[in-house]
Amino acid sequence: GDSVTQMEGPVTLSEEAFLTINCTYTATGYPSLFWYVQYPGEGLQLLLKATKADDKGSNKGFEATYRKETTSFHLEKGSVQVSDSAVYFCALRSSYGQNFVFGPGTRLSVLP
Amino acid sequence: GAVVSQHPSWVICKSGTSVKIECRSLDFQATTMFWYRQFPKQSLMLMATSNEGSKATYEQGVEKDKFLINHASLTLSTLTVTSAHPEDSSFYICSASAGVNTEAFFGQGTRLTVV
Repeated sequence: GDSVTQMEGPVTLSEEAFLTINCTYTATGYPSLFWYVQYPGEGLQLLLKATKADDKGSNKGFEATYRKETTSFHLEKGSVQVSDSAVYFCALRSSYGQNFVFGPGTRLSVLP
Repeated sequence: GAVVSQHPSWVICKSGTSVKIECRSLDFQATTMFWYRQFPKQSLMLMATSNEGSKATYEQGVEKDKFLINHASLTLSTLTVTSAHPEDSSFYICSASAGVNTEAFFGQGTRLTVV
């Protein structure tokens, strides 16, 4: 079945450091790919998405490119802030089914 | 983005009682709603998927008689935890999607504590 693998962390960075959170997937067909962010005690918020190969999703300084050849959707940000501290989930939605498949989540802590 | 409202955000109930959690899509019609359970520092565990007007599809291992899901309209789904026990204490999250292959929008979650 479909699956999502991401680095589990925790990841600890200093403010203004470069962030990469790796995400790879296994799926049949052409899934849509998403990054969600969860702040403590809250639900998930959609951060960005990409629906086809080579699409780049971007939002709030975060970017991720849909790489079909490497089945990856790595999340990057050039300069993190303390307010970016949260848990980040990579997810896919298959073109064949309706359910979402989530990765295990990566906890990011940004220190001032 | 679209807004999904989940209520209540937290609830404490006595063992043996039932608790209802509501999930509403405020500015779009949700053809599909999802209910998840999240344990501390873990990912989301899908409990069930519901489509408006039809019975929910439960994941393996989730008791449908204990976790009653109703999706009576395109903007409202409810999860009722019946005869709650302390082991049902958890963070429950709903999400809603407007169509196939589109993103899902999440509610803010409900922290259930059964004492």
